[in-house]
Amino acid sequence: QSALTQPPSASGSPGQSVTISCTGTGRDIGGYNFVSWYQQLPDKAPKLLVYEVIKRPSEVPDRFSGSKSGNTASLTVSGLQAEDEGDYYCSSYGGSNNWVFGGGTKLTVL
Amino acid sequence: QLQLVESGGGLVKPGGSLRLSCTASGFSFRDYYMSWIRQAPGKGLEWVGHISSSGTIDSLADSMQGRVTISRDNAKNSLFLQMNNLRAEDTAIYYCARNWNFGFDSWGQGTLVIVSS
Repeated sequence: QSALTQPPSASGSPGQSVTISCTGTGRDIGGYNFVSWYQQLPDKAPKLLVYEVIKRPSEVPDRFSGSKSGNTASLTVSGLQAEDEGDYYCSSYGGSNNWVFGGGTKLTVL
Repeated sequence: QLQLVESGGGLVKPGGSLRLSCTASGFSFRDYYMSWIRQAPGKGLEWVGHISSSGTIDSLADSMQGRVTISRDNAKNSLFLQMNNLRAEDTAIYYCARNWNFGFDSWGQGTLVIVSS
């Protein structure tokens, strides 16, 4: 399984929206609605933000939203806040009891 | 409160072995699949493998086949990762995580493994 493709960096000003893409293939993102997104703040463990493409755990603010079109999934962060600065990773089920992650995107709040 | 605590990391020579542990609390451990996920220094996340709730089924990433075994002891709420023939490229923080809805909803703080002579 090859890693999913994410842009290495993204940025936005406080209050703006930013979208991070995650591109895979028909064997992972395109084949299943099992895309998840994680936020990793500096020196912390990853935290689940979105699962099954569009769903959010109850404790995650609705400023974080997920979507998918074909082999590409996206995470949109609305109303950017300084505390959103960190690394963001996508993941997808890849069939045959395998999971694959993206390379990560560093989000900077300007 | 749900908690996952990894242990067992450290410095090991190339070709050596290491057994990592993850102790769970705050939830019914025996009801969940569990995974190991690693992160090399300054790099992204890499799924290592998972084990079924009963421990009878496991699945490993292709890069781990033949060198890694995942096991669990539900009576002790513990998950294990046995790694053999370690290489420099296995240097990473190793996280245990709870599988949930085809994602990973809870993560430990990680344990650092350094493979170096």
